[in-house]
Amino acid sequence: GAVVSQHPSRVICKSGTSVKIECRSLDFQATTMFWYRQFPKQSLMLMATSNEGSKATYEQGVEKDKFLINHASLTLSTLTVTSAHPEDSSFYICSAQRNSGANVLTFGAGSRLTVL
Amino acid sequence: GENVEQHPSTLSVQEGDSAVIKCTYSDSASNYFPWYKQELGKRPQLIIDIRSNVGEKKDQRIAVTLNKTAKHFSLHITETQPEDSAVYFCAASILRTGNQFYFGTGTSLTVIP
Repeated sequence: GAVVSQHPSRVICKSGTSVKIECRSLDFQATTMFWYRQFPKQSLMLMATSNEGSKATYEQGVEKDKFLINHASLTLSTLTVTSAHPEDSSFYICSAQRNSGANVLTFGAGSRLTVL
Repeated sequence: GENVEQHPSTLSVQEGDSAVIKCTYSDSASNYFPWYKQELGKRPQLIIDIRSNVGEKKDQRIAVTLNKTAKHFSLHITETQPEDSAVYFCAASILRTGNQFYFGTGTSLTVIP
């Protein structure tokens, strides 16, 4: 079955530093990956759609300069939280969609970011 | 854009009883409706999905029904077990690669032993 690996699972950083989160599709190619933010006991908030070889599409209210997304290959997308602040602390989840058009989303295990 | 609403936000049932979660959507173009189960601190997992050319789909204790006219779909869990306790999300999408999924707000299900 489809497997998506997300790394790191937990990260603690100081305010002002940048943090990179990786999302990899291990056994399939994913032209499109999605990045979500999830607050405790809340739903998945779509942040951006990551397209291989082109710029990401950001949702309204999401700062593109704050949350840098790079989709350099068909199996890897990265989210970089730049100049992180405590309010950026959250659970970030990626998902990937197969190129085959099956439309099924497979989620990564999520990354818990804590900014001190 | 698409707007997905989900009810109830919390649901408690006795073990062995049935649980029903309902979602409505706004975009008549949506034609794919998956349901995800998320246990605490873990990734959402697809448990069942339905396409708009089907009215009902069943997989063991889990079933999903779709009413295209009314734009609503429901998740039914029968003979609930404690391990069914989790947060369940519905979603709506249009079948094509790269299209967005719009998620409901989630239902926290607790099955009481």
